[in-house]
Amino acid sequence: EAGVVQSPRYKIIEKKQPVAFWCNPISGHNTLYWYLQNLGQGPELLIRYENEEAVDDSQLPKDRFSAERLKGVDSTLKIQPAELGDSAVYLCASSMGVGELFFGEGSRLTVL
Amino acid sequence: SQQGEEDPQALSIQEGENATMNCSYKTSINNLQWYRQNSGRGLVHLILIRSNEREKHSGRLRVTLDTSKKSSSLLITASRAADTASYFCATETGANNLFFGTGTRLTVIP
Repeated sequence: EAGVVQSPRYKIIEKKQPVAFWCNPISGHNTLYWYLQNLGQGPELLIRYENEEAVDDSQLPKDRFSAERLKGVDSTLKIQPAELGDSAVYLCASSMGVGELFFGEGSRLTVL
Repeated sequence: SQQGEEDPQALSIQEGENATMNCSYKTSINNLQWYRQNSGRGLVHLILIRSNEREKHSGRLRVTLDTSKKSSSLLITASRAADTASYFCATETGANNLFFGTGTRLTVIP
């Protein structure tokens, strides 16, 4: 069975440019998470979806970040415009609701 | 903001020795989980301990939980070079959200 798939794995952009990350969760997992991980730190929750509904987006910087999960399956996280401080790894995870999270390999963003 | 904090931040041991990592957290929890992350990779779930459990084992892993002290420990016995990774505790506080600690970077020297 395929795990959580994220793309791209690496992205380098100049500041003020837009960027988008895509995540396909494990089939049947109704809960999807986007986390931000800075170097040497633990993941920090950005947004959590239950099916297509964003049930917790309190930590998502809404002035420049947006996310969607239109059909309750795959999801896209967008940053527009990107700033230097956005350089980090963006992790997607999915679960059956309560308990273990399954993570993708992450998308590493470098903003120059 | 991060719920948990691991101690030590970094740990270096010889192969065959035991490694102990500690996690402290701030609020009441439903469960506490430990994850492992190899460099440049995603996180992998290791073990989950519920708030009404005090100890749990899985292979070479032993996890304890003390809810009165709001702390947990992860013991890896007979460590191997392949155990080299960062280890994170994560707490679930009741809203199905998982909050991660700052991590312990373990290096096992062959």
